[in-house]
Amino acid sequence: EVQLLESGGDSVQPGGSLSLSCEASGLTLGNYAMSWVRQAPGKGLQWVSVISATGDSIYNADSVKGRFTISRDNSKNTLYLQMGSLRAEDTAVYYCAKHSADHRYSPFDYWGQGTLVTVSS
Amino acid sequence: DIVLTQSPDSLAVSLGERVTINCKSSQSVFHSFKRKSSLAWFQQKPGQPPKLLISWASTRESGVPDRFSGSGSGTDFSLTISSLQAEDVAVYYCQQYYNAPPITFGQGTRLEIK
Repeated sequence: EVQLLESGGDSVQPGGSLSLSCEASGLTLGNYAMSWVRQAPGKGLQWVSVISATGDSIYNADSVKGRFTISRDNSKNTLYLQMGSLRAEDTAVYYCAKHSADHRYSPFDYWGQGTLVTVSS
Repeated sequence: DIVLTQSPDSLAVSLGERVTINCKSSQSVFHSFKRKSSLAWFQQKPGQPPKLLISWASTRESGVPDRFSGSGSGTDFSLTISSLQAEDVAVYYCQQYYNAPPITFGQGTRLEIK
């Protein structure tokens, strides 16, 4: 059974940093592209970042460019999101989502349960 | 960026009735090589992550009840529930993966029981 388990969510002050992890089990993470998707309280889904299966292709949403960095360690079956210069509008549940193929032009077929990031003074 | 607009924003339907949710794309998401549209539908229940129901506009995922179906091509898509059940109460999202970045979602449609 495929499972994705996010961790690292916390409450942080504006301007602060945070690192999220997503540990995968039941699959070989290195065969698939992965994304981070966030959902602000009571709002819809917003894609944040995507990384190809090998890690050689990375794209970010304009709203997080220069502040967030997606990475992966396929040997550890783990995806990461390093978040910096955090703003109040970054407050959201952050989900890791698995693509069904090794590239970004494929649907999300599995999601983690999410981890809450709160940015507030 | 491709903008997806869902309609309606919310709806209340009686149990056993048919439900149709629409998703209109600002540009075609038809993949000429695959001969399929790069559009997915997700169901999100309160406190849960989204669940993939339909990919490639009309391919139902394994384990999804057959009362759920997807249709459409190019820019206009629909998710249909043939006979609404109580457990279908959720927010439904369409999403395109044709042109990325960015991957984009519709704003969501909230489905309730009348």
